[in-house]
Amino acid sequence: GAVVSQHPSWVICKSGTSVKIECRSLDFQATTMFWYRQFPKQSLMLMATSNEGSKATYEQGVEKDKFLINHASLTLSTLTVTSAHPEDSSFYICSANSGRGYNEQFFGPGTRLTVL
Amino acid sequence: AQSVTQLGSHVSVSEGALVLLRCNYSSSVPPYLFWYVQYPNQGLQLLLKYTSAATLVKGINGFEAEFKKSETSFHLTKPSAHMSDAAEYFCAVSDLGNEKLTFGTGTRLTIIP
Repeated sequence: GAVVSQHPSWVICKSGTSVKIECRSLDFQATTMFWYRQFPKQSLMLMATSNEGSKATYEQGVEKDKFLINHASLTLSTLTVTSAHPEDSSFYICSANSGRGYNEQFFGPGTRLTVL
Repeated sequence: AQSVTQLGSHVSVSEGALVLLRCNYSSSVPPYLFWYVQYPNQGLQLLLKYTSAATLVKGINGFEAEFKKSETSFHLTKPSAHMSDAAEYFCAVSDLGNEKLTFGTGTRLTIIP
């Protein structure tokens, strides 16, 4: 149990286009989901916390108009990178609070975004 | 704010040797502590977690970690390294009442045949 999926696993797009990444909890309900960004050979940087039915909470320095997050249901959160540019190229990972307590998170497999 | 320090960005051990990956946290109040493993181009997989139930925590794949409050440490160990253990390992901490995880900078483990 406790599987989190992401789609797509990789995407290549042209500069100026928007890209949507989906994060789903497959076998449990997640009231809270998180979005991270990871640069090569670096740690995870939390971008935002997403709560079902409410606006996402963004970390300092993250452009909320650039990275739109929607948590429409207890099993789905989406991250839309708007007007993507090459500097947005990165590995994006989502996670979901397991609901088991202890703030345990289950992670998706990640999405590799390349902006040309 | 919580912080996590992982000493050694790269660790190399011989196959069959002891694996020791270090993690120190900053909180004065015992937090929740986690070790995650990441294989190339994949998400993170939970190895083990400390939740105050026991100071020695056993996880998957033969890994274990010991919580030492006096040293504010949560080092990860495995008695005998296997080639499949080669990966990036992240220590993370979370406070009571705060769902966010704070990650260390990671340690890349290389296994020498």
